[in-house]
Amino acid sequence: TQLLEQSPQFLSIQEGENLTVYCNSSSVFSSLQWYRQEPGEGPVLLVTVVTGGEVKKLKRLTFQFGDARKDSSLHITAAQPGDTGLYLCAGANSGYALNFGKGTSLLVTP
Amino acid sequence: DAGVTQSPTHLIKTRGQQVTLRCSPKSGHDTVSWYQQALGQGPQFIFQYYEEEERQRGNFPDRFSGHQFPNYSSELNVNALLLGDSALYLCASSLAGGFYGYTFGSGTRLTVV
Repeated sequence: TQLLEQSPQFLSIQEGENLTVYCNSSSVFSSLQWYRQEPGEGPVLLVTVVTGGEVKKLKRLTFQFGDARKDSSLHITAAQPGDTGLYLCAGANSGYALNFGKGTSLLVTP
Repeated sequence: DAGVTQSPTHLIKTRGQQVTLRCSPKSGHDTVSWYQQALGQGPQFIFQYYEEEERQRGNFPDRFSGHQFPNYSSELNVNALLLGDSALYLCASSLAGGFYGYTFGSGTRLTVV
């Protein structure tokens, strides 16, 4: 069961454009993690947010955790071809399991 | 510093057979989790091992079993393989519960024919 809904499912943009990916749930999470996965590889952790309203920046990537800790967004400024990949959000609540969304597949063309 | 190592990278098995997948966690990590990722889906939690015990289990049948060794490495065993078990199996390691994130391996691609 996917508790996290990600949108859009697919995104194809040109280099230099900005984009936002959304991750929504009806459940409250104690922490939310964002990963990027490339074909044939495992997910790589980008960031973990734990406090409602928290904003974290990682170079051109900005992550926000909703005030109610039910949703999150990832904004990329001036996308580059190297940003291409599958972006996955994953929430942790009780226990140790991560609940993943289906992901947003991003393609950035030169 | 080696990350998470999984073997084999690819595997083809026949329906009804059994398979064992292996994982060595990142140095310094003591917890290993296993996930199944079907094509076009996000990873689904199978179980987590800590101190050689299964600490939490996801919604998978008991055909899926695991083990953690004293050196923290882990195995995932799947019995009576079904076509639907074809997927990428990911191992993730962490220190303690992984609240702040996991390090994933590159996975084992299992194809059941």
